Amino acid sequence: DAGITQSPRHKVTETGTPVTLRCHQTENHRYMYWYRQDPGHGLRLIHYSYGVKDTDKGEVSDGYSVSRSKTEDFLLTLESATSSQTSVYFCAISESRNTEAFFGQGTRLTVV
Amino acid sequence: GENVEQHPSTLSVQEGDSAVIKCTYSDSASNYFPWYKQELGKGPQLIIDIRSNVGEKKDQRIAVTLNKTAKHFSLHITETQPEDSAVYFCAASKGMDTGRRALTFGSGTRLQVQP
Repeated sequence: DAGITQSPRHKVTETGTPVTLRCHQTENHRYMYWYRQDPGHGLRLIHYSYGVKDTDKGEVSDGYSVSRSKTEDFLLTLESATSSQTSVYFCAISESRNTEAFFGQGTRLTVV
Repeated sequence: GENVEQHPSTLSVQEGDSAVIKCTYSDSASNYFPWYKQELGKGPQLIIDIRSNVGEKKDQRIAVTLNKTAKHFSLHITETQPEDSAVYFCAASKGMDTGRRALTFGSGTRLQVQP
C-alpha cells in the first residue's frame, strides 16, 4: 500500500466549529488531492495541490480551504462546519499527471 | 468542466458470468481513463487504466475499451468471482500544459456477485 495516512479517521463535530483534516504521505509524490464521497455522487474533488504552496479549487470547494507547506502534508480545513459537510473525505496522491492516484483510507466526518 | 456518467448504479450477476459497466464523458480533451475498485471501509484502488491512444486494454479477467468518437469507455469483468463484489468507479482526466490534472469520477456501480 502507498504510504498515505489520513487523520483523524473518524470525527464528530458541532455545526459552526472549525475542523482540520490531515493527509500525510511518505511517497514524495508531487500531486495531492482531497475528495469527498457521498451516496449517489461518487467522489467529488474539493481541492488539489500540484506542489508546495501550489493549490487549486475543485468542483465542490465552497466552505473548504487547504494548505500545503511541505511535500508530505496536505491539510483540509472546514472554517465553519455545516451539516452538508457530513461526508467521507479521501486524500489521494499521484507522482505525476498521468500516473495512478493512490487513495488513503478515508476520514468519516459527521457534523451535528 | 468534465462530466462523467456511469451506468448501471447496481449490478448483480451470478458467479462465473460477465459484468459490464459503462461510462460516458463530456470533455473531448480527456485522455486518461482509470477504473477504481472500492471495498467496504477502504479507499478506492486502481484496477486498470487506459489512455486515449489505445482502444482496448486487458489484464487477466479485466478489460477496458475506449471509444473516443462516442466518448465512452467500458469495464468488462469475465468469470466473475465473489471477491469481485465491490463498488467500481470510472474516472476521466486530461493532462494540461500547466502540469495540473485531477480526476473526475462517475457516481459508482455496486457490483454483487452471487455464489
